[in-house]
Amino acid sequence: AQSVTQLGSHVSVSEGALVLLRCNYSSSVPPYLFWYVQYPNQGLQLLLKYTSAATLVKGINGFEAEFKKSETSFHLTKPSAHMRDAAEYFCAVSDRRAAGNKLTFGGGTRVLVKP
Amino acid sequence: GAGVSQSPSNKVTEKGKDVELRCDPISGHTALYWYRQSLGQGLEFLIYFQGNSAPDKSGLPSDRFSAERTGGSVSTLTIQRTQQEDSAVYLCASSLGAGAPLGNTIYFGEGSWLTVV
Repeated sequence: AQSVTQLGSHVSVSEGALVLLRCNYSSSVPPYLFWYVQYPNQGLQLLLKYTSAATLVKGINGFEAEFKKSETSFHLTKPSAHMRDAAEYFCAVSDRRAAGNKLTFGGGTRVLVKP
Repeated sequence: GAGVSQSPSNKVTEKGKDVELRCDPISGHTALYWYRQSLGQGLEFLIYFQGNSAPDKSGLPSDRFSAERTGGSVSTLTIQRTQQEDSAVYLCASSLGAGAPLGNTIYFGEGSWLTVV
């Protein structure tokens, strides 16, 4: 079975500072990997995804993530935080061997951006 | 519509009552998912529909939960004899299904907030 661990349920960053959100997965075969963002009282929006191409993936709103097979990680970064980045972020995986695209989510990391 | 549409957006129900939650996926999407988001359990997969295939019900927490998808489009999630622990946000999602590459994007609705009192 697959699992996803997000280190840190809450992260506080200053506006303009680096955002780093950590995600590690457990799977016998490298899965598909996703980062979703959830703004207050809204659904989930895809930030970026890794399927099988370049290991450095660029997404929307200036975010990017790097797949590191040796570390079973898919950490999300943004060089300079903006107030609008305050939200909850979820890392998710799906099994590339399975039918369908069932996602297994991490516990989420809530980002607070300080002025 | 342009996105995944869910109704009602908010529902308060008394313990023991049945509730129905509706999802209208993105036009052309053959795959439809239900997830539950709660404080204690995070985001959990409930059920997955793909075209006319038998649904994957492996995530349904009990036999009080059921879902159907009529005509390959709209889906209804039904919770019978609701309990307080059913209080959560129920998220519907859809994606291109069979024939599309795995790992394709899953689009989520804004959810139905269920409170059982």
